[in-house]
Amino acid sequence: AQSVTQLDSHVSVSEGTPVLLRCNYSSSYSPSLFWYVQHPNKGLQLLLKYTSAATLVKGINGFEAEFKKSETSFHLTKPSAHMSDAAEYFCVVSGGGLTGTASKLTFGTGTRLQVTL
Amino acid sequence: NAGVMQNPRHLVRRRGQEARLRCSPMKGHSHVYWYRQLPEEGLKFMVYLQKENIIDESGMPKERFSAEFPKEGPSILRIQQVVRGDSAAYFCASSSGVPEAFFGQGTRLTVV
Repeated sequence: AQSVTQLDSHVSVSEGTPVLLRCNYSSSYSPSLFWYVQHPNKGLQLLLKYTSAATLVKGINGFEAEFKKSETSFHLTKPSAHMSDAAEYFCVVSGGGLTGTASKLTFGTGTRLQVTL
Repeated sequence: NAGVMQNPRHLVRRRGQEARLRCSPMKGHSHVYWYRQLPEEGLKFMVYLQKENIIDESGMPKERFSAEFPKEGPSILRIQQVVRGDSAAYFCASSSGVPEAFFGQGTRLTVV
């Protein structure tokens, strides 16, 4: 079984300040972890992924995340927020079966990021 | 390489009608997933298919919902006798057999 907990439903930051979106996971197997972003009335875009290689993962648009097995966390960060970052962010875990094989993705409930001037 | 294509983007059905949602995976992908997103909620897994086979349907409602992914053509999610509670965004994703999946733009179903 696998699950994801996104600790904040809403996060508000000022433009130019750091972003931290928190995610904890639970998985019976070595998981693959992802962050997806969804802009209003749009589809989902993959920001970054962790699949058992380097624990610090860099993604698109300046985002990065660090896999910490001891803390079962995969928090998403960005040094400086931009207005265009305002969106819904989903932490996702995969790996209910064998590592490296396709299996269903389990989504967190999402964190809505608001960026103010 | 075109992404995951879903159609229609918007679908309006009256209660009791059938809704048919289509998903064409990315080229070379043989794994398809369907998810449902209710307003202000995250995505809930419905079904995972691999060409002509249902691998995991643990998230599918037991009645009125069915999915297929034939050897030729797109994957189809079919909802029979729709009710207002079926109104949601339905997303399809595809993968090549590794954990990473790519999502389509979704079909927004409205039941009136």
